[in-house]
Parts: sequence; C-alpha cells; structure tokens
Amino acid sequence: SQQGEEDPQALSIQEGENATMNCSYKTSINNLQWYRQNSGRGLVHLILIRSNEREKHSGRLRVTLDTSKKSSSLLITASRAADTASYFCASTYFNKFYFGSGTKLNVKP
Amino acid sequence: DTAVSQTPKYLVTQMGNDKSIKCEQNLGHDTMYWYKQDSKKFLKIMFSYNNKELIINETVPNRFSPKSPDKAHLNLHINSLELGDSAVYFCASSQEGRGYTDTQYFGPGTRLTVL
Repeated sequence: SQQGEEDPQALSIQEGENATMNCSYKTSINNLQWYRQNSGRGLVHLILIRSNEREKHSGRLRVTLDTSKKSSSLLITASRAADTASYFCASTYFNKFYFGSGTKLNVKP
Repeated sequence: DTAVSQTPKYLVTQMGNDKSIKCEQNLGHDTMYWYKQDSKKFLKIMFSYNNKELIINETVPNRFSPKSPDKAHLNLHINSLELGDSAVYFCASSQEGRGYTDTQYFGPGTRLTVL
C-alpha cells in the first residue's frame, strides 16, 4: 500500500496537555498536509508543510518534517476538549495524494 | 455558503441497484476528487478530474463511473451495488498550484449502506 502510517492509532489526554502525532510516508513528496476529521464530518485542512521546510507553526499547531526519515509530526499544545477528532496526514507528490491511517485523539475535560 | 456540497448525505439501497452521488464546489477550483473511507477510516482516492478531464483513476471496479459535466461538478455513479461498497464517500476539490496538489477542501460525505 502507498498509504502512510500514523502513530499512535489512538491517543487519550487531559485538557491542557500537549498531543503529539506522528506520520510516516512512503513516496517522495511535494508537500505534506494535516487534516482533522470530526466524527461524522468531512476533513478540514489544518496545515501544510512543503518538502523544503522543516518546521511550521499555526496557532497551537506545530508541524515538523524530516524528509530523510520520511516522517512528520503534529503537535497540538494546550489541548482542548474541542480538539477531540481524528487527525490524518496526507503526502502529495504531483497529482498523487496519499492519506495516513489516522490518529484518533480524545481530549478529556 | 457551502464550499463543497454532496447529495445525498445518507443513501441506503439494496444490492444490485444503481445509484448516483452528486458533488458541487463553488470555490472555482480546477480539480475535484472522489474518496472512499472504509469502516477502519482509511481514506483512499478513487478518481481525480482536472477541468473535466480524468487524471487519476485508481484501481476501482468499473462499476464506478465518475462524470464531470463542468469543472464545478463531479458526480459518482455506481452500478450493481455490492455489500462491500458500503462506506462513506467524500468529494473534494483543490486549486492545482505549480503542477502539484495543494490544499483539498472536502465535502461532508455521503454514507452509503448497501443491504
């Protein structure tokens, strides 16, 4: 399969804690994106990091990219109950778009 | 204003029937996609259209046929539905930038249940 893997598959933390999710991919990439999916809803784009970037921030989100290891991580700081969702990474290479298997995050109030 | 919309939201049908799912985007994007999300939440791309032209057709049974009447619409027609077709189908769109795929905007999904 050309889909990536995400780790962990599930993560449960207390509100206020940080959440870290990791993603590994298999192909070369132009960019890597992270999406959130709330239960029963479509995916919402969170952040995009290009292959020549190593780190990117957006609000409480921090994404890193290590192209030598074909991996990325998403850090959500000071988590909130509203962050409860599934998080997917997606690697893109020209017109190819591959999603990881997702991490289900549960933030307990 | 809904950026990417799909109809219907839920679709329950019998094996062997033919059904269609419609998708429309009002973002002015050039590229639209269909994805299938199975019960384990794996998202797999099925088709991609750029300006009404098919550019990706992953290994999908030929019972699935996408139709793009214009670049704002990409419909999915499924013939002879099977139990294994039960899944959530997502439509998405993107504005292709510099020849590679940029941010995708997803519709709310259509939950298809085949009985």
